[in-house]
Amino acid sequence: KAGVTQTPRYLIKTRGQQVTLSCSPISGHRSVSWYQQTPGQGLQFLFEYFSETQRNKGNFPGRFSGRQFSNSRSEMNVSTLELGDSALYLCASSLGARGETQYFGPGTRLLVL
Amino acid sequence: TQLLEQSPQFLSIQEGENLTVYCNSSSVFSSLQWYRQEPGEGPVLLVTVVTGGEVKKLKRLTFQFGDARKDSSLHITAAQPGDTGLYLCAGASWGGADGLTFGKGTHLIIQP
Repeated sequence: KAGVTQTPRYLIKTRGQQVTLSCSPISGHRSVSWYQQTPGQGLQFLFEYFSETQRNKGNFPGRFSGRQFSNSRSEMNVSTLELGDSALYLCASSLGARGETQYFGPGTRLLVL
Repeated sequence: TQLLEQSPQFLSIQEGENLTVYCNSSSVFSSLQWYRQEPGEGPVLLVTVVTGGEVKKLKRLTFQFGDARKDSSLHITAAQPGDTGLYLCAGASWGGADGLTFGKGTHLIIQP
């Protein structure tokens, strides 16, 4: 079974731009969660989508948003990019029950200049 | 807000030595997961522990979940250079709200 895939793997943007990242979960998984990883803060939870609805949300500003499609694929969008948004953005999928084991993709490395 | 304190933050040891990584919290978790992450890649799941007091073994790796479900440890026996990486513990809250809470990680280097 194919794992979680994320595109693109690397991205360079400038301040003020917006960016959209994509995640395809493991086949059959209905939950997709997004995390931001930085050297200083480690891995921090952004939000979780299940059945096209946001089920949980972390403590990030409204510039960070996401959505999920009927095939469980998910996208996250960051508007008005700031230098501090430079990070590895990780997507994780699970079958869907709350608290279930999550499987991570390789991440998208975003650099904001 | 749930927090997971992971220690040590950095560890460099010689091949063949044993080591233990700790993950502690004042919060109770429904389950706890251990991941290993290579540079530039996503975390790869090693194990999930769900029962207080549970011990799981994966070859030279032994994982333990505390009786009170607030802490966990990872013990590696006879470490090998291939064990080098970032080890992360992550706790799931009851009901799964707030996603996984991650520790800051332990950077492990095994020198040949």
